[in-house]
Amino acid sequence: EIVLTQSPGTLSLSPGERATLSCRASQSVSSIYLAWYQQKPGQAPRLLIYGASSRATGIPDRFSGSGSGTDFTLTISRLEPEDFAVYYCQQYGSSPRYTFGQGTKLEI
Amino acid sequence: EVQLVESGGGLVKPGGSLRLSCAASGFTFSSYSMNWVRQAPGMGLEWVSSISGGSVHIYYADSVKGRFTISRDNAENSLYLQMNSLRAEDTAVYYCARLYCTGGSCDQGRAFDIWGQGTMVTVSS
Repeated sequence: EIVLTQSPGTLSLSPGERATLSCRASQSVSSIYLAWYQQKPGQAPRLLIYGASSRATGIPDRFSGSGSGTDFTLTISRLEPEDFAVYYCQQYGSSPRYTFGQGTKLEI
Repeated sequence: EVQLVESGGGLVKPGGSLRLSCAASGFTFSSYSMNWVRQAPGMGLEWVSSISGGSVHIYYADSVKGRFTISRDNAENSLYLQMNSLRAEDTAVYYCARLYCTGGSCDQGRAFDIWGQGTMVTVSS
């Protein structure tokens, strides 16, 4: 089973700053199967990035994803107030089919 | 508008059963694999089960295998999760989610692109 470890657990930044969130896999992951989601309190997750670096429909270009192998990064170039949320990475594998990281909380 | 709406959650005693439903609209439901993902209170996301468009391929997380059954009715644009032998640790918000395959091929990438608002399941005596 591939385990995804996200760091930091909590990231405290201010609007306008740059956020860098990490997702590390316990073994190599195909980048085409790595996705990032944003979840705000009381809401369902929203797809941000798929294929490690492709933005989903309607996602602003301040969100970008990168990485390969075991190390992946979600970068938010200039934080807007609405970006403060919890972020999850996810990978597709054999068993279990899909695993999520434990999440990074981005707070003001 | 593409939409998923879950229903069927509630309070159930340990050992009891519950059936969740997810109504899909705004897209060709039968063309997409669908998933159930859950989130325990204050915790992260956990994939529960997947079903292909034609119900040929079905998968479960080890934590629910043998107790939960996923199914779908493409004529009714609906996804279901039958949950039996429920335990306290099954307490969570349950989301249905559509599987998006890059370029129409799941071998070229996949992610959950549409999510419902979730339905809460509480297992407690």
